[in-house]
Amino acid sequence: GAVVSQHPSRVICKSGTSVKIECRSLDFQATTMFWYRQFPKQSLMLMATSNEGSKATYEQGVEKDKFLINHASLTLSTLTVTSAHPEDSSFYICSAPPSGGASNEQFFGPGTRLTVL
Amino acid sequence: SQQGEEDPQALSIQEGENATMNCSYKTSINNLQWYRQNSGRGLVHLILIRSNEREKHSGRLRVTLDTSKKSSSLLITASRAADTASYFCVVGGGSNYKLTFGKGTLLTVNP
Repeated sequence: GAVVSQHPSRVICKSGTSVKIECRSLDFQATTMFWYRQFPKQSLMLMATSNEGSKATYEQGVEKDKFLINHASLTLSTLTVTSAHPEDSSFYICSAPPSGGASNEQFFGPGTRLTVL
Repeated sequence: SQQGEEDPQALSIQEGENATMNCSYKTSINNLQWYRQNSGRGLVHLILIRSNEREKHSGRLRVTLDTSKKSSSLLITASRAADTASYFCVVGGGSNYKLTFGKGTLLTVNP
């Protein structure tokens, strides 16, 4: 199946710093990518939809100025957690449906574990 | 909300036993999917069942869908320790591709 990668897989940072997470579709193009957040022992919650060539759309309650999303190309979306705080510590996962593919066919990245000290 | 809600939240069984997890959702769907997540890792797609299907099999997995009751079940037969993971039912997709995850069932298979 198609592969989605994330980098880094794990990051530890100090409070107040910014962290960038990359999501890449390795063997297909994706005009849309999704970013999820998962707190320990909880489900995945959709944060935002990343759209190539246009602004991201954020779910209710997600601060767009704090979670900056840039869909730089058809194979890359980045999520930047700005001025990170300990409460931002979480597991961040991206997913991507291949462009032109079935809407129910999505491929998930392996996730990035963010720890903010 | 289309959020699925799994039942039970946690399930512990012995290797070789069958595991059944249930999921309920609130609105109409085109399809329902089940995913597995090993502890602190990414998601693995298990199976998709369309709204016009009632049952689907894949290896040791059996999924049922009852659209009249807005519920689905996932059965894992002859469980193995390697099946230990969280299992999520997922609804959504459609024109905006958005998926909504249920709360998940944590399955522990004891050797």
